Parts: sequence; C-alpha cells; structure tokens
Amino acid sequence: GQNIDQPTEMTATEGAIVQINCTYQTSGFNGLFWYQQHAGEAPTFLSYNVLDGLEEKGRFSSFLSRSKGYSYLLLKELQMKDSASYLCAPLDSNYQLIWGAGTKLIIKP
Amino acid sequence: DGGITQSPKYLFRKEGQNVTLSCEQNLNHDAMYWYRQDPGQGLRLIYYSQIVNDFQKGDIAEGYSVSREKKESFPLTVTSAQKNPTAFYLCASSQGDRNEQFFGPGTRLTVL
Repeated sequence: GQNIDQPTEMTATEGAIVQINCTYQTSGFNGLFWYQQHAGEAPTFLSYNVLDGLEEKGRFSSFLSRSKGYSYLLLKELQMKDSASYLCAPLDSNYQLIWGAGTKLIIKP
Repeated sequence: DGGITQSPKYLFRKEGQNVTLSCEQNLNHDAMYWYRQDPGQGLRLIYYSQIVNDFQKGDIAEGYSVSREKKESFPLTVTSAQKNPTAFYLCASSQGDRNEQFFGPGTRLTVL
C-alpha cells in the first residue's frame, strides 16, 4: 500500500530552526511536494523535489533521498507566521499526489 | 488575476438535502480535483477530472457526484447518501505531468 509518515505536531521557538521529516512508501515515484496550510485555509505550494539533494528557497529548504524514501523540510529564522501545518505529498507512478496527514508546527515567542 | 474560486465559503444544510459546491478556475488547467479534509487528517481525494466530459472516482467517492461540462468548472454535489458530509472541501487544478496543484479557498460544509 501507499503510506506517508510525518510527526503529528512539533513546537519551536521564534528565530530558531526546525526540521520536519517525512518518510513515504508509494507505488512508483515521480517527485515530492511540500505544501503549507494555515488553519482554515487552502494549502499553498512550498517546494518540489524530484532528484536527490537539497533545494533551497529563502528561509525554506527541502531535501530528498529517493533510495531511503525520505524527505525533510527545513525552516530557518522561524517567524510567528510560520505556525501552520506542513503537508508532505509524493507523486506516485500515475502522477497522483499521495497526501500525508501533515505536521502541525507551533511557534512560541 | 488567474486563480480558483470556490463558493460559498461557509454552507449550512439540513440532513437529507443534496448540496452543490462550486469550483471555477481561469488558469486554463486541464485537470481538476475535489478533496475532503477532516480535522487533524490529510486530504482525501473524492473525484478528479483530467479532461472535459471525463472524470474518475477517487478514494472516497461514495455519496458524491461531479460533472465536467466545461474546462473551467467542476462542481461537486454532496448527496443525502453521504453519511458524514460535514467537512472542509477543497478544489484544486493542475497542468502537466508534474501535477503541482493549485487550490481554491475551500468551502466549509456543515450539515445540521
């Protein structure tokens, strides 16, 4: 079957760094997305990885290891507005997104 | 401005009534999707359509129906057969193999 594993909730301090891990098992693989979702709102695109390695975009970076079925999202210089859920979503062999339950990130001052 | 609109943002219905949620996009995307999200859970796929006049069931299609008569529009009907219809409904669209999905603002449906 297809499965996504992310921590349910994480807490971090404003200004700090946090890493949100995601492990996945899918039927085939065609890349992996990270989305951010604030409470009561729609998910918005953060990053896409299809090759192994680190993709950096401002304060956010995303890493992929296809052989390990593993990805992480790294958030630096945390701000209060980063309090949200972070959704890991790999693309399977049919190019369908498989959604994890998401990690709720709480930022404390 | 290109985007996806869903209306209304909040919807209340009595049990036993059918209700139709609207989704319109002007991104010229071929593919459109309907998801349901319950508190603390991930997105679950209800229906998707990759081209006009064609659509496929997702993981939880029972109690729902859709149509795709125009490229821009993909309405979802929640029927009285859906046992637990109260949820947050999200519509999305995408184009190309990468399947980066763009979401509408969502409709929160409450059945009383």
